[in-house]
Amino acid sequence: AQSVTQLGSHVSVSEGALVLLRCNYSSSVPPYLFWYVQYPNQGLQLLLKYTSAATLVKGINGFEAEFKKSETSFHLTKPSAHMSDAAEYFCAVTPGDGNKLVFGAGTILRVKS
Amino acid sequence: NAGVTQTPKFRILKIGQSMTLQCAQDMNHNYMYWYRQDPGMGLKLIYYSVGAGITDKGEVPNGYNVSRSTTEDFPLRLELAAPSQTSVYFCASSSRGSVDYGYTFGSGTRLTVV
Repeated sequence: AQSVTQLGSHVSVSEGALVLLRCNYSSSVPPYLFWYVQYPNQGLQLLLKYTSAATLVKGINGFEAEFKKSETSFHLTKPSAHMSDAAEYFCAVTPGDGNKLVFGAGTILRVKS
Repeated sequence: NAGVTQTPKFRILKIGQSMTLQCAQDMNHNYMYWYRQDPGMGLKLIYYSVGAGITDKGEVPNGYNVSRSTTEDFPLRLELAAPSQTSVYFCASSSRGSVDYGYTFGSGTRLTVV
């Protein structure tokens, strides 16, 4: 069964600093991987997805993630944090048919001024 | 362009009461899902549906029931509310090609059982 592990339930960065949110997956078949963002009191929004095309995936709001099969990782990065990036971020995995997303526990990103 | 609409947004239930969480989508998506979100636990799948008349259990179905009589609606029923069902509930939908578009989520229902 597929699963994802997000390292660090809370990450704190200064405004303008690099954002790195870690996600490792376990899957017996080539997975599809997603990052979602949840702002306070809202539903989840898709940030970006990996679907076996390019290994470096660019998403909205300047975020990107790199699929590394050798490391079974799909870490999310942003070169320069903005106050508006403060939110909870979820990594998710799904089998090839695209159903039944399995979510990680989430990482709360705090951005300090 | 409503997307996925969940009602109510908030509800307080007493132990043993029942209620239905409503979910409707206007995107003609075949696939619909119910998740619950608990702090530090991520989202857990309760039930899902791949089309009208077809439902299946997810990871945490106990204490819940669903039905899917139309493509648009996917209500979640709690028959005998328990404190363990205090959570935020999210409904989501996807087209057959969810790999391309991901899921569209509703804004959630915050349920407290006391």
